[in-house]
Amino acid sequence: DSGVTQTPKHLITATGQRVTLRCSPRSGDLSVYWYQQSLDQGLQFLIQYYNGEERAKGNILERFSAQQFPDLHSELNLSSLELGDSALYFCASSVAYRGETQYFGPGTRLLVL
Amino acid sequence: ILNVEQSPQSLHVQEGDSTNFTCSFPSSNFYALHWYRWETAKSPEALFVMTLNGDEKKKGRISATLNTKEGYSYLYIKGSQPEDSATYLCALNTGNQFYFGTGTSLTVIP
Repeated sequence: DSGVTQTPKHLITATGQRVTLRCSPRSGDLSVYWYQQSLDQGLQFLIQYYNGEERAKGNILERFSAQQFPDLHSELNLSSLELGDSALYFCASSVAYRGETQYFGPGTRLLVL
Repeated sequence: ILNVEQSPQSLHVQEGDSTNFTCSFPSSNFYALHWYRWETAKSPEALFVMTLNGDEKKKGRISATLNTKEGYSYLYIKGSQPEDSATYLCALNTGNQFYFGTGTSLTVIP
């Protein structure tokens, strides 16, 4: 158990819908990272927040957004969902924002029908 | 988009064998190199974070080396055990982005 929690574990929804994935970092970690793993691709970095502020941005679609709240938990919002958004979404956390070990949560498996 | 390459893509070894795999990356964008172990149906588990050229890190039977000038890192497993079966991922940290390789899938045959 890495200490990073993600909810829900599984999510099934329809195209065009919007969902919110939630992540709570390990106690004391200030950075949260979001990753997407699709069937035909490896882990893709989406976005990083550090202490409430966006720190780095990867291959995140405009239909997706994220935020980190004052209590340091983070939410990833996925809207206008398409079939291709079906994937495993991981959240990871680290103490600071550069080069530290990242601890991964168990992931949220999203299925868009 | 930076290209992080891992080889081989998959590997089968006998229990007790030692093995190694490679992660190659563009050296010009280097800040840190991360290694992860990813078992099926679990989440990636951090093994090493390496930042300095010539770094060597060790965790039990697993060790890693880093060459930032030529852009590669090796992961070594000594005396492989069936519980070492997993996918081993490396990720290049450029300071503001993380680029993952596609992993090396290791199967240790008892």
